[in-house]
Amino acid sequence: AQSVTQPDIHITVSEGASLELRCNYSYGATPYLFWYVQSPGQGLQLLLKYFSGDTLVQGIKGFEAEFKRSQSSFNLRKPSVHWSDAAEYFCAVLNDYKLSFGAGTTVTVRA
Amino acid sequence: EPEVTQTPSHQVTQMGQEVILRCVPISNHLYFYWYRQILGQKVEFLVSFYNNEISEKSEIFDDQFSVERPDGSNFTLKIRSTKLEDSAMYFCASTGVGLEDYNEQFFGPGTRLTVL
Repeated sequence: AQSVTQPDIHITVSEGASLELRCNYSYGATPYLFWYVQSPGQGLQLLLKYFSGDTLVQGIKGFEAEFKRSQSSFNLRKPSVHWSDAAEYFCAVLNDYKLSFGAGTTVTVRA
Repeated sequence: EPEVTQTPSHQVTQMGQEVILRCVPISNHLYFYWYRQILGQKVEFLVSFYNNEISEKSEIFDDQFSVERPDGSNFTLKIRSTKLEDSAMYFCASTGVGLEDYNEQFFGPGTRLTVL
């Protein structure tokens, strides 16, 4: 079955430092991949998506992600985090028109 | 910018009671979904709905659950007899029918259901 793995449950990063969140997927064909962010008590906001083409995709809030087929990965990056980036981040893959989500990575930003 | 809305934002109910969670999808979207997120866990697919019928449902979506599009704008999730383990955040999502549109789901802000 198709699945998404986010190996890091919790990451703490200093404000201004770079951030990378890992996502690995298991999927037979070319996947449609997404990163969502969820702030405490809030809904899911789409950060970026990959369907095809350029493997480096740009999203909102200064985030980018790179699709690497050879590693079955779709890691999310931000060069310099802001305190407002503290949230939970979910990687997801579209599977038969429904999304399968990873378990999420909680990001804490320290001053 | 069009958005998916959900009401109520928070619902508290007694075990065994019926609840109806409401969603207004984006107006020209035709595919609708419900997901849920139990506190501290991943978001899970419940059901998808298209052309006034269920397209797919997960194992979670048992006979206690039903969905309906009672009019041209609302999309509802009914839980007939709530259990403690139904306590979760419930998200509605919708998607369009264009070539790439149907691959992106737009989520509402969620309804937090608390069953006592």
